[in-house]
Amino acid sequence: GIQVEQSPPDLILQEGANSTLRCNFSDSVNNLQWFHQNPWGQLINLFYIPSGTKQNGRLSATTVATERYSLLYISSSQTTDSGVYFCAVDLTGANNLFFGTGTRLTVIP
Amino acid sequence: KAGVTQTPRYLIKTRGQQVTLSCSPISGHRSVSWYQQTPGQGLQFLFEYFSETQRNKGNFPGRFSGRQFSNSRSEMNVSTLELGDSALYLCASSLGAGNTPLHFGNGTRLTVT
Repeated sequence: GIQVEQSPPDLILQEGANSTLRCNFSDSVNNLQWFHQNPWGQLINLFYIPSGTKQNGRLSATTVATERYSLLYISSSQTTDSGVYFCAVDLTGANNLFFGTGTRLTVIP
Repeated sequence: KAGVTQTPRYLIKTRGQQVTLSCSPISGHRSVSWYQQTPGQGLQFLFEYFSETQRNKGNFPGRFSGRQFSNSRSEMNVSTLELGDSALYLCASSLGAGNTPLHFGNGTRLTVT
């Protein structure tokens, strides 16, 4: 089956710092999505990004589908950014997502 | 617009019992999918429904089943509960049949004792 690897597994940042999270996948995919799981367990969709670059406030994401990776950039981090960031890929485009193991981000004041 | 609503938020059941979880998608969304999250296995796909039809099923035993109603609301059922079924069960809805963002509910945390 497809492998979805995220790095780093854990990240601790000082408030205001920038970070880059990486997602590598082992096969061609139909689309890729980034999620943030907050400490209460809710998964928030950050980006739907099968290819190219998107920006939303302090967050941006880039997917290079031909090279099978995606990057999530967080700038000027805030304590509310803490949580686990997941990338998930859809092989068939039928809303069947394979999730990576996540990057646990802790932002300290 | 209301988000994806899952009920109940918490459940405690005993081994051997069965349980039904409910999910109401975002208004207008016709695809509903279910995921199980555990510390050991992470987030795993259970099944997906579109227009009342199950289109995909993950690698879970037949004790896990689901259905979708004509108003797109969905239920999942787990029969003969095992300790290993303790998990956070997440439901997601999506506007289209595919290639559209998934939006998740707050989840149902099931504990099997």
